[in-house]
Amino acid sequence: DAGITQSPRHKVTETGTPVTLRCHQTENHRYMYWYRQDPGHGLRLIHYSYGVKDTDKGEVSDGYSVSRSKTEDFLLTLESATSSQTSVYFCALLRVTIFGTEAFFGQGTRLTVV
Amino acid sequence: KQEVTQIPAALSVPEGENLVLNCSFTDSAIYNLQWFRQDPGKGLTSLLLIQSSQREQTSGRLNASLDKSSGRSTLYIAASQPGDSATYLCAVSKGGGGADGLTFGKGTHLIIQP
Repeated sequence: DAGITQSPRHKVTETGTPVTLRCHQTENHRYMYWYRQDPGHGLRLIHYSYGVKDTDKGEVSDGYSVSRSKTEDFLLTLESATSSQTSVYFCALLRVTIFGTEAFFGQGTRLTVV
Repeated sequence: KQEVTQIPAALSVPEGENLVLNCSFTDSAIYNLQWFRQDPGKGLTSLLLIQSSQREQTSGRLNASLDKSSGRSTLYIAASQPGDSATYLCAVSKGGGGADGLTFGKGTHLIIQP
């Protein structure tokens, strides 16, 4: 399963507070992603990283920032949480080989903003 | 922009039936296609990965086919069991990571009736 873990698994926070979600991998893969999953919208890309300190925006990046200071950790920060950011957040990594790319996902973080 | 569609959105069948889930994509210039399973409240588990040069992949009772030129993939489940109940998602990749890392369909919610 590519050794990918997310923390925390569940969080309830108040509107306006900053929140940081952590994604940790053990296999030294270059590409990492943050998605959110919502009913009716499926999985939407928030931000991704293609190496240490190399990140870029996805389709729903407003209100989110990311950091990757080490290969193994990719952090997602909600700068000032809003109720619309209540969602399930998934981290993923891409295993790239000469045969192609394969994605692996963490177990998700269920975030509730009240 | 790549769009991925999965039909049907939901499916309920009696145990023991063979069934087919469909996935279509608008841009045939893909690198590979991946099928995932998601159980309620859980992350995504990779089921099958098909490279663009391949026509199909098999794992146990699962068989996935790919027709890149027509932008279609099917996931065939033989002799369905109640434990197969889950949401099945397909995702296509243009290869190499980045924002094109993966584009997802919204999934097919499958219920196998005992």
